[in-house]
Amino acid sequence: KNQVEQSPQSLIILEGKNCTLQCNYTVSPFSNLRWYKQDTGRGPVSLTIMTFSENTKSNGRYTATLDADTKQSSLHITASQLSDSASYICVVMEGNQAGTALIFGKGTTLSVSS
Amino acid sequence: EAQVTQNPRYLITVTGKKLTVTCSQNMNHEYMSWYRQDPGLGLRQIYYSMNVEVTDKGDVPEGYKVSRKEKRNFPLILESPSPNQTSLYFCASSLSSQRYNYGYTFGSGTRLTVV
Repeated sequence: KNQVEQSPQSLIILEGKNCTLQCNYTVSPFSNLRWYKQDTGRGPVSLTIMTFSENTKSNGRYTATLDADTKQSSLHITASQLSDSASYICVVMEGNQAGTALIFGKGTTLSVSS
Repeated sequence: EAQVTQNPRYLITVTGKKLTVTCSQNMNHEYMSWYRQDPGLGLRQIYYSMNVEVTDKGDVPEGYKVSRKEKRNFPLILESPSPNQTSLYFCASSLSSQRYNYGYTFGSGTRLTVV
């Protein structure tokens, strides 16, 4: 069964600290992996999209890594800010030329405190 | 501004009273989809549309209907809402679901409460 598992479920860090969120997946056929940021009550916003051939992709203070062999991804946030408080969702796109579908993780809730 | 617009943002209704949540995108996207998000469950797909007049069921379609008569609009219809449809709903669009790396743009969400 196609699944995306994220850990930890929630995380609290101090402003200015770094953190890493984890994502493990069992999705086949694999197309790409996406990280989204979702502020409370708002729609998800894309941070990165990586195909199986990409190991690392950055978007400002956000750096995503992908190990397609072990089917693991991480999202590293550097020098956290209060505005980073949000839910971070790992999404794997399943599919091939016939069509695609998004498989969503349940998200990691990050709280950044001052 | 490129965006997906959902209306209303908040809605409280009574059981059995038909309602429609509208979704409109201004990016000429072929693919549109509806999701619901519930605590501890993540986003689950309700219905999707590959193009005009083409719709299909997602993972949780029961109790919902959709239509895609024009490219920009994809309304979600609840013919007889029930309390278990209380949820946060998101509409999303993408240029095409056939290509791997196209991004998905999500609307701001509709919080529906059925009493």
